[in-house]
Amino acid sequence: DQQVKQNSPSLSVQEGRISILNCDYTNSMFDYFLWYKKYPAEGPTFLISISSIKDKNEDGRFTVFLNKSAKHLSLHIVPSQPGDSAVYFCAAKGAGGTSYGKLTFGQGTILTVHP
Amino acid sequence: DTAVSQTPKYLVTQMGNDKSIKCEQNLGHDTMYWYKQDSKKFLKIMFSYNNKELIINETVPNRFSPKSPDKAHLNLHINSLELGDSAVYFCASSHRRGANTGELFFGEGSRLTVL
Repeated sequence: DQQVKQNSPSLSVQEGRISILNCDYTNSMFDYFLWYKKYPAEGPTFLISISSIKDKNEDGRFTVFLNKSAKHLSLHIVPSQPGDSAVYFCAAKGAGGTSYGKLTFGQGTILTVHP
Repeated sequence: DTAVSQTPKYLVTQMGNDKSIKCEQNLGHDTMYWYKQDSKKFLKIMFSYNNKELIINETVPNRFSPKSPDKAHLNLHINSLELGDSAVYFCASSHRRGANTGELFFGEGSRLTVL
């Protein structure tokens, strides 16, 4: 049973437009939600996070929205740039001492931004 | 200066062999992790060490044995390799606050292929 799911394997967007990546989760015992970005042959790099007590966090062109009632989060990239083309992983961190640093990842969405 | 470095990056070996993957971080973090990315692209935690102490040990076959000689190193030894062990293994590290928020720093990954 996968507790974090990204149902769109891929997304294609024109440069300058908005990219919206989605993620659903089934466990309410997460206290942080994160997005990681991964280029080929590299490890994932942290992009942006949101605490479970908030519903929005913004950092430059990147905004993460959290809808706890729907158990859904999304990442908005505005405006999208060709350099944003990568695999985006949604992740959730379990609350509680035994989940110290333990992340549950989705399977990733491949974003392609066309010039 | 790579922050989290893993060796080797590629490893091809026969079933039944024993192999090790090494990881080093120069970020001064006190927590290190091993994650496995399987064929379905999910990243799943295997182990976590804090100051050389094992704190997370997921349901992983005991053929996998992590070892942390000091807090800057976390090695992964795999005995009696099986076909299903083929995957990309990512090492990661975090400072204490990052472990609480889920912000991890990943290495580039080590692709293991078992023939």
